[in-house]
Order: sequence, then C-alpha cells, then structure tokens
Amino acid sequence: KNQVEQSPQSLIILEGKNCTLQCNYTVSPFSNLRWYKQDTGRGPVSLTIMTFSENTKSNGRYTATLDADTKQSSLHITASQLSDSASYICVVSDRGSTLGRLYFGRGTQLTVWP
Amino acid sequence: EADIYQTPRYLVIGTGKKITLECSQTMGHDKMYWYQQDPGMELHLIHYSYGVNSTEKGDLSSESTVSRIRTEHFPLTLESARPSHTSQYLCASSEPDQFRQETQYFGPGTRLLVL
Repeated sequence: KNQVEQSPQSLIILEGKNCTLQCNYTVSPFSNLRWYKQDTGRGPVSLTIMTFSENTKSNGRYTATLDADTKQSSLHITASQLSDSASYICVVSDRGSTLGRLYFGRGTQLTVWP
Repeated sequence: EADIYQTPRYLVIGTGKKITLECSQTMGHDKMYWYQQDPGMELHLIHYSYGVNSTEKGDLSSESTVSRIRTEHFPLTLESARPSHTSQYLCASSEPDQFRQETQYFGPGTRLLVL
C-alpha cells in the first residue's frame, strides 16, 4: 500500500531556532516529492518539488532533501519566524497513471513561539 | 498567491439541505480537483476533472457530485447534507507539463458544518 508518513506529528520551537521535519514514503513508482505549507484556514501552498535525481532544493529559509534510495525526505527550516507556524505536508507523486496520482501525508503541525 | 477562489468560506447548514460549493480559477488550468480534509488528517481526493465535460470520482467515496461546464468553474454539490459531511473542502487546479511535474494550486477552502 502506498503511504506517506510524516514525523513528528507536532513540533513547538522558539523563534529564531532551526528545525527539521521528516517524511518517509513507500510510494512506487516514484515521480516527485513536494513539500507544502498550509496555514490555518487556508489551502496548501507549494514550497519545493524534487524529482528522483535531485538531492536538495532550497526556497529561502526552507531546504528540502531527498534520498530516493531510502525513500526519505526532510524539510529544514532555518532561523524560524512566527509566520512559519503552519502545517507542513509531504506529497509524493507516482508514475503509475496519467493522472500522476498524489499521496498526501498528514502533515507536521509546527508552532513557533516568540 | 494563486488565483483560485472558493465560496463560501464557511457554511453552517441543517441536515437534508442541498448545498453547492463554488470553485473558480482564472489561470486557465485544464485540471481541477476537489479534496476533503479533516483536522489533522491527510487530504483525500473526491473528484477531479481533466477539462470541460470531464469529471471523475477520486479515491474517497463521496455522495457529492461535480460538473465542469466551463474551464474556470468546478462546483461541488451535495444533494442532501448530513452531519458526516462536516469537513473542510479544498479545490485545486493544475496545468500538466511534458514531464508530468505539475504543481497544484489550492483555494482557501470551505469549512462545512452540518447540524
């Protein structure tokens, strides 16, 4: 069964600190992996997208890594800000259909305290 | 911010009522999607469309129906709302590229509460 597991489920950090969120997946075949940020009461917004051949991708203070061999990805947030408080969702796409089906994780709820 | 809009943002309605959740996008995307998301849970695909007059059911069984008469408009209808329909409904659109690496752009969502 294709699955996407994220950890931790929730995380509280102080403003200015760094943190790393984890994503493990069993989706096969694999096309790409995305990290989305979802603010409370809003729709998800794409942060990064990585294909099989990419190991790392940055977007400002967000850096995503991908190890396609171990089927693991991480999202590192540097110098956290209060506005980083949100749910971070890992989404994996397969190659098995013309739709390019997406598999969603449940997200990590990040809270940044002042 | 993506040009995809959903109305209403919040809806409280009684059991048995018919409701339509609106979704519109101004990006000219062919593909559109409806997802259902409960708190702390993953998004579940309930409907999608490849283009005008194309609609398909998603992974999660849903009593809702959709239509795609215009490219920019993808409404979702519940003929008879029940408390089990209480959830957040997210609409999204995307444009496929030659490598099938498409990013979905999400609307702000509609939070539905059925009493």
